[in-house]
Amino acid sequence: QKEVEQDPGPLSVPEGAIVSLNCTYSNSAFQYFMWYRQYSRKGPELLMYTYSSGNKEDGRFTAQVDKSSKYISLFIRDSQPSDSATYLCAILQGAQKLVFGQGTRLTINP
Amino acid sequence: GAVVSQHPSRVICKSGTSVKIECRSLDFQATTMFWYRQFPKQSLMLMATSNEGSKATYEQGVEKDKFLINHASLTLSTLTVTSAHPEDSSFYICSASGLFYEQYFGPGTRLTVT
Repeated sequence: QKEVEQDPGPLSVPEGAIVSLNCTYSNSAFQYFMWYRQYSRKGPELLMYTYSSGNKEDGRFTAQVDKSSKYISLFIRDSQPSDSATYLCAILQGAQKLVFGQGTRLTINP
Repeated sequence: GAVVSQHPSRVICKSGTSVKIECRSLDFQATTMFWYRQFPKQSLMLMATSNEGSKATYEQGVEKDKFLINHASLTLSTLTVTSAHPEDSSFYICSASGLFYEQYFGPGTRLTVT
């Protein structure tokens, strides 16, 4: 079983839709959770990071962590074509190492 | 804030030559920097972790003599691909660690070995 599982998609939705991106993880000791956005041929951009269970909101983005289910989510409201990218969840393993999901390719159609 | 730069953004070299890639944290000091490799449509693969002033820690399967990492200051780490071969062609990305374990990534370097 992989440490972090993420549906690679692709996921295609119409502009304005609410997008839900999800990851599951196997080790209950993981505590720090991050979401990155990566445009084609660019480095990943940190969107949000969370430490505990619950929700964290930043503009149109909401990160949700459910430690009891070992499930993390990223919601994008009022999705825009510029949100089209690959979204990677990442979990901190130990003190430094990030373990990434496979990435979900998202397309927002105008 | 938290900007990481990489240079060059793209490099083409001949087989057998060495290539150096620089990674800089522009507006913060990074005790720890990371080097990743990414193949098309795949996730990032951690190659090594470098701490300022000490030897890098390489992931299993990564040849330390082939991928030389130097982290000479709190804002600069370099990756040198020695005696590059076509199979080393890839997208190399560095990152720098922030205050709360989050990592900030550079824009990446596309290496093509002919």
